[in-house]
Order: sequence, then C-alpha cells, then structure tokens
Amino acid sequence: AQSVAQPEDQVNVAEGNPLTVKCTYSVSGNPYLFWYVQYPNRGLQFLLKYITGDNLVKGSYGFEAEFNKSQTSFHLKKPSALVSDSALYFCAVIKSTFGDGTTLTVKP
Amino acid sequence: GAVVSQHPSWVICKSGTSVKIECRSLDFQATTMFWYRQFPKQSLMLMATSNEGSKATYEQGVEKDKFLINHASLTLSTLTVTSAHPEDSSFYICSATALFFSLGEQYFGPGTRLTVT
Repeated sequence: AQSVAQPEDQVNVAEGNPLTVKCTYSVSGNPYLFWYVQYPNRGLQFLLKYITGDNLVKGSYGFEAEFNKSQTSFHLKKPSALVSDSALYFCAVIKSTFGDGTTLTVKP
Repeated sequence: GAVVSQHPSWVICKSGTSVKIECRSLDFQATTMFWYRQFPKQSLMLMATSNEGSKATYEQGVEKDKFLINHASLTLSTLTVTSAHPEDSSFYICSATALFFSLGEQYFGPGTRLTVT
C-alpha cells in the first residue's frame, strides 16, 4: 500500500524567509508525486508534480520541490515566502493518496 | 487551468433525508471524476472513482448504498448521500480528469459543506 506523510501539522515562517514543507512517501514502483494548495472556500490547486527527470521540479507561484529517492522525500520549498502563501498544503501520490496536510502561516 | 464547479457550496439537511451534490466540469469533458471526503484538519479521503457511463468504483470502507454516485455525462457527476446522519457531516470535494490530460492531472471543485442536523 502506498502512503504519504507530512510530519508537520503547522509551519510558521516570516515573510521574506525561505520556507520548506516536508513530505515523505512510501510507494512500490515509480513514485508519481504531487503538491497541492488549498485556500479557504476554494478548490485544491495544483502546484507541481514529479513524474520523472530532474529531481528539482519548479511549479506555480515560485514554488519548487526536490525529489530525493534515497530519503523518499519530496519537500516543497520557496526561497522567499509571501503572506499570501498562507494556506493548507497537501502532498500526494498517484493515485489520489494524500498526506494529512500542513498549514503554512507566513507572518508579515 | 480547467474549471470544476460544485453545487451547492453548502447544505444543511435533517437526519434521515437525502442530499445530492453536483460536480461539473465547465470547460472540458471529464472522462473520470473522483469524490473525496475531507474532515476538519484532516486529509482528503478518496471515496470513489467514477467513469462516464459506468458504475463507480468505491474505496474500501465506503458504503456504496449510502453514497450513490452517478456519472451520466462527460460534464456531470452527482453524489447522493442517502438517509444522512450527523456523522455524514463533512466537506465533500470532487475532482475531474480527462484522457488527454497529463499523468495525474486533475482539477478540483471548491467543495460542498454538508451539515446533517
């Protein structure tokens, strides 16, 4: 069975600082990994995905994620956080197995 | 990106009644739609996968007689919660994908908040 773990329920960062939201996975076979963001009263929005290729994946809104096969991780990163990045972030593997989510709060 | 809508955005119903939630793909034909349930401060749980014109495939532990899913057209899927009880209160989210989308690409509706009193 496949699974996704987001070890942090909450991540707090100051605006302008780099942010990292952690994700580890367990799958058999090739890991197809996704990050989504959920804003209040809005549907989940796709940020980025890793299917194959470069381990560093660039996505929407300046986010990127690094696939690390040896550590079975797919951490989401952004060099400089914005207050508007505050939201709930989900890591997921195909098919449709989601982590528990991490609430990101960026303080001005 | 593609747009998926849900209706209603929120609904309150009495225990024992049934409620229908609609999921529509507005600008593409969705060959497959997914229904999720999200509890407060918890992850999305996949309930079922529906392909247009065929019966839905339910995940283990999801009662198919309680959560009726119909995918009658390429742009509409419905979830009917039958004989609802307070424990069915939750946030229900649909997503849609199409054959010509890239691997794993799916678009989510804004969700429907169901409260059963």
